[in-house]
Amino acid sequence: GDSVTQMEGPVTLSEEAFLTINCTYTATGYPSLFWYVQYPGEGLQLLLKATKADDKGSNKGFEATYRKETTSFHLEKGSVQVSDSAVYFCALSGGGGSQGNLIFGKGTKLSVKP
Amino acid sequence: KAGVTQTPRYLIKTRGQQVTLSCSPISGHRSVSWYQQTPGQGLQFLFEYFSETQRNKGNFPGRFSGRQFSNSRSEMNVSTLELGDSALYLCASSAEGGRRDTQYFGPGTRLTVL
Repeated sequence: GDSVTQMEGPVTLSEEAFLTINCTYTATGYPSLFWYVQYPGEGLQLLLKATKADDKGSNKGFEATYRKETTSFHLEKGSVQVSDSAVYFCALSGGGGSQGNLIFGKGTKLSVKP
Repeated sequence: KAGVTQTPRYLIKTRGQQVTLSCSPISGHRSVSWYQQTPGQGLQFLFEYFSETQRNKGNFPGRFSGRQFSNSRSEMNVSTLELGDSALYLCASSAEGGRRDTQYFGPGTRLTVL
């Protein structure tokens, strides 16, 4: 079935460092891809999304490009802030095995130190 | 627009009891999905409702059920609670539930089973 694999955490960075969180997926068909962020004690917030190959999603300085050839959707940010500390989830929907529901990776916890 | 709201935010029950959680979607959204989040299993899809009908279902036992009302509000019910049902239950709404739709999450209901 469809699945999402993202890099294990936790990831600890200093403020203004470059961030990459790797995400790869397995799916039949043409899924849409998402990054969600979860702050402590809260639900999930959509960070960005891409619905077809080569699309780039971007928001709040974060970017990710839908790469069908490598089945990847890596999250990047050029300069992280303390306020970016959270858990980040990569997800897909609409692959052959998921219809409209989201299938999530395990999450990557990011801690940014001042 | 008001976001997705969930009630109650916290709940403590004992084994064998049943519980009902409520979700109010974003105004105009017709699709409501439920997810369970646990440290061990991560985020897992429970079911999706659209126009008062269950349209999609994850791999959970029949003790987990739900319904949707004509105003798109949704409830989920868990009967005969087990210790393993302790989790954060997240509700998400989207316009139509299609694979390109963004799902917007509520803050969740934290259920503790003693």
